[in-house]
Amino acid sequence: QQPVQSPQAVILREGEDAVINCSSSKALYSVHWYRQKHGEAPVFLMILLKGGEQKGHEKISASFNEKKQQSSLYLTASQLSYSGTYFCGTGPLTGSGNTGKLIFGQGTTLQVKP
Amino acid sequence: DTAVSQTPKYLVTQMGNDKSIKCEQNLGHDTMYWYKQDSKKFLKIMFSYNNKELIINETVPNRFSPKSPDKAHLNLHINSLELGDSAVYFCASSQAGDKHPNQPQHFGDGTRLSIL
Repeated sequence: QQPVQSPQAVILREGEDAVINCSSSKALYSVHWYRQKHGEAPVFLMILLKGGEQKGHEKISASFNEKKQQSSLYLTASQLSYSGTYFCGTGPLTGSGNTGKLIFGQGTTLQVKP
Repeated sequence: DTAVSQTPKYLVTQMGNDKSIKCEQNLGHDTMYWYKQDSKKFLKIMFSYNNKELIINETVPNRFSPKSPDKAHLNLHINSLELGDSAVYFCASSQAGDKHPNQPQHFGDGTRLSIL
């Protein structure tokens, strides 16, 4: 079942912060985050594997709350280069014939203005 | 060096035609995927191969047939193209399987298919 992302779209000024949420009605085992710029391929940002795990990539970080079946992506002091569509993808349970299959959310479009 | 490369980048053709898209990866990954991204940017898995074996086969019309001649190549052939097939098709690769769980996927630049 497809995870649900919120908000669907957000517009920021440079330097502002944003949070993108990814929620699932099923148990989450792993959450993958990707960013896709207009007309380009999705690019991997990070994977979260454990409940409560947080990871960071420059000023972009994420958390994973197993109990809430939710992951959040935090963009701090946004830059123009952060503009794009952000996707979360939920991954399979490890050790169960892992195919690497990801089910992506519908995406959140982020626009950063000067 | 391009890690995952797809050809062609653009494909414009008429309804009813048959077309193929090719994908190659030089990352040494053992698993390759085809995704379809529609006009609403919804990214949906279609197929996946692990070492030339089909491991994911989602509910896709049987006009779509993937083929993997070796683990570095994955092609997609589409018969009798329909208007609804217009989309961007992405190839991706990763390590997968129980020995390599939860690995990042690397995407090609996509093939923009337009059906007239």
